[in-house]
Amino acid sequence: EPEVTQTPSHQVTQMGQEVILRCVPISNHLYFYWYRQILGQKVEFLVSFYNNEISEKSEIFDDQFSVERPDGSNFTLKIRSTKLEDSAMYFCASTNREVGEKLFFGSGTQLSVL
Amino acid sequence: GESVGLHLPTLSVQEGDNSIINCAYSNSASDYFIWYKQESGKGPQFIIDIRSNMDKRQGQRVTVLLNKTVKHLSLQIAATQPGDSAVYFCAENIREYGNKLVFGAGTILRVKS
Repeated sequence: EPEVTQTPSHQVTQMGQEVILRCVPISNHLYFYWYRQILGQKVEFLVSFYNNEISEKSEIFDDQFSVERPDGSNFTLKIRSTKLEDSAMYFCASTNREVGEKLFFGSGTQLSVL
Repeated sequence: GESVGLHLPTLSVQEGDNSIINCAYSNSASDYFIWYKQESGKGPQFIIDIRSNMDKRQGQRVTVLLNKTVKHLSLQIAATQPGDSAVYFCAENIREYGNKLVFGAGTILRVKS
């Protein structure tokens, strides 16, 4: 069964450093998302991406965040200058409208900012 | 506004019993609802979904009930198994706001053997 893959599974970084989280969505999907989950809390929407541009973003997704689809398969989330409060599990998701709004999630990248 | 919440943060059931996980939503414009299961260290896994023009949908051992009158969603798991132990999230989508799922707080399901 096709799945969304994310790398790395764990990322440790120093405050102020840049990180790039990588995702390979399911190949025939057209809509891509990043969500995050702080330990013990609910899954929060960050950004949606379609047709090579951001469709929607939350208040969390400020100027320090950016997304990119550099080629036909990868979808990345960049945090330019990480803060302690950016520590969370980051999930990538994708969907194809033909199958409705069901999102398929990857296993996540655990980001720890020290 | 966007608000999805859960009545019970933790539910403990005996193996073999049926489980019912509840969720309240506040936005009457929500037109699609979905339940996800999240095991430790993993991403949310799709369980079942339902559109607002339905009030019940059944899957394998799971049933979702939607009561639009009281804005309530429930997930029923029949013959709960130890492998069902996880955190369960309900999520809603408001089509006019785009294809964005808004998640609730989550309920921990613990299955006792």
